Amino acid sequence: QKEVEQDPGPLSVPEGAIVSLNCTYSNSAFQYFMWYRQYSRKGPELLMYTYSSGNKEDGRFTAQVDKSSKYISLFIRDSQPSDSATYLCASHTGGFKTIFGAGTRLFVKA
Amino acid sequence: ETGVTQSPTHLIKTRGQQVTLRCSSQSGHNTVSWYQQALGQGPQFIFQYYREEENGRGNFPPRFSGLQFPNYSSELNVNALELDDSALYLCASPAGTGTGELFFGEGSRLTVL
Repeated sequence: QKEVEQDPGPLSVPEGAIVSLNCTYSNSAFQYFMWYRQYSRKGPELLMYTYSSGNKEDGRFTAQVDKSSKYISLFIRDSQPSDSATYLCASHTGGFKTIFGAGTRLFVKA
Repeated sequence: ETGVTQSPTHLIKTRGQQVTLRCSSQSGHNTVSWYQQALGQGPQFIFQYYREEENGRGNFPPRFSGLQFPNYSSELNVNALELDDSALYLCASPAGTGTGELFFGEGSRLTVL
């Protein structure tokens, strides 16, 4: 079993839709949770970071962590074609390595 | 801008050859991590260097090795290349907060034929 599981998609939505991206994890030691966005042929860029359980909002993006169910979510409101990318969830124990999910490919159609 | 620069951006090698990938980061980033991202997969941790010493390693064989230099540049070396080594190799500089936040370079795409 992978430590971080993520549905690879692809997920296709119309412009303006609310997007929900999800991951599950198995390691109870994970304390830090991140979402990265990766455009084609580019390196991942950090989008949001959350510590432990709870919500964090940044503009159109909301990250949510439920440690009781080991569930990580990213919500994108008013999605735009420029949001089309691969979204990677990631978890970290505070040690030296970050564990990534496989990424979900998102397409936002104009 | 992440302040992390990688070279080359693309390269093609044949099986059995050796390759060196390079990374430079902004002054003051004394930790560097390397990740391998196969097509359709998330990045996988190879190793981390802190002040020129390897201080963490993922599940990669010894033919993957690295160096970090006093000027904060680093190298990833892969010997005896195999077809499965074809991937995007990413260099990352941690945010320094101990949270796992990483600032990645654009990567070096390696194709092994």
